Amino acid sequence: GAVVSQHPSWVICKSGTSVKIECRSLDFQATTMFWYRQFPKQSLMLMATSNEGSKATYEQGVEKDKFLINHASLTLSTLTVTSAHPEDSSFYICSATRGRRPYFGEGSWLTVV
Amino acid sequence: SQQGEEDPQALSIQEGENATMNCSYKTSINNLQWYRQNSGRGLVHLILIRSNEREKHSGRLRVTLDTSKKSSSLLITASRAADTASYFCATDATPQGGSEKLVFGKGTKLTVNP
Repeated sequence: GAVVSQHPSWVICKSGTSVKIECRSLDFQATTMFWYRQFPKQSLMLMATSNEGSKATYEQGVEKDKFLINHASLTLSTLTVTSAHPEDSSFYICSATRGRRPYFGEGSWLTVV
Repeated sequence: SQQGEEDPQALSIQEGENATMNCSYKTSINNLQWYRQNSGRGLVHLILIRSNEREKHSGRLRVTLDTSKKSSSLLITASRAADTASYFCATDATPQGGSEKLVFGKGTKLTVNP
C-alpha cells in the first residue's frame, strides 16, 4: 500500500487564488520531504526540501514567497501555491524518505483558470 | 538542475522485444534509481543501484551502472503492453548524512505495441 499520501489528487482554481496541497507520510515519520513539479511531457524538477520544524530550502529559481512550504509535524508537509497563475498549472508531487529510500505520493494536478 | 539525460527520448517496440534505455549523469553519486510513471500518475520505484555496484536484476529488469562513464542502462526483457510508460533515472548525490534528494533525468517514453 501507499506509504506517502498526497491530497488533493487534482484541483482547479481561479487565477489569483491560493491552493494548498498536502503530503503525508503514513506509518512513519519524515523529518524531510521533497516537493517536485512536473510540466506535461517533461521530467520532475525539485522545487524545495521541506524540513520539519524549520524553514524549507528552495532550489534556485523557485520563488519561496509564491510556493509556501510548511512542515509542522513529522508526518505532514504542505505546499501552498499563492496567487496562482495559469503558468503554475502543473503536476506537483512530493516524496518522503524511509530507510534511505524515497517514496512518492500519487501527485496533485493543479489547473489554474 | 537536471542531471540525468536519458536516451532515447521515445522508444516504440513490439510486445516480446527487449527495451533498453540509457541514462547519463554529471556528478559523483551515491546511487542511481530508476522509476516508472504511467501517464499523469505518481512514480513507481523500480530499482536502485549503488555506486559500488555494476549490475542489478529484478524480475525482467536489468540495470547496469558504469561510474567511470557516468552512465546507466535499464533493460526490460520480454516487454509487455503493460510496460508502456515513461521511465526516469534519478541520481542521489546527497553528501553522506544528507537527505536523499533526487535529480531526475528527462525520461524515456516507452510504448509497447501489442
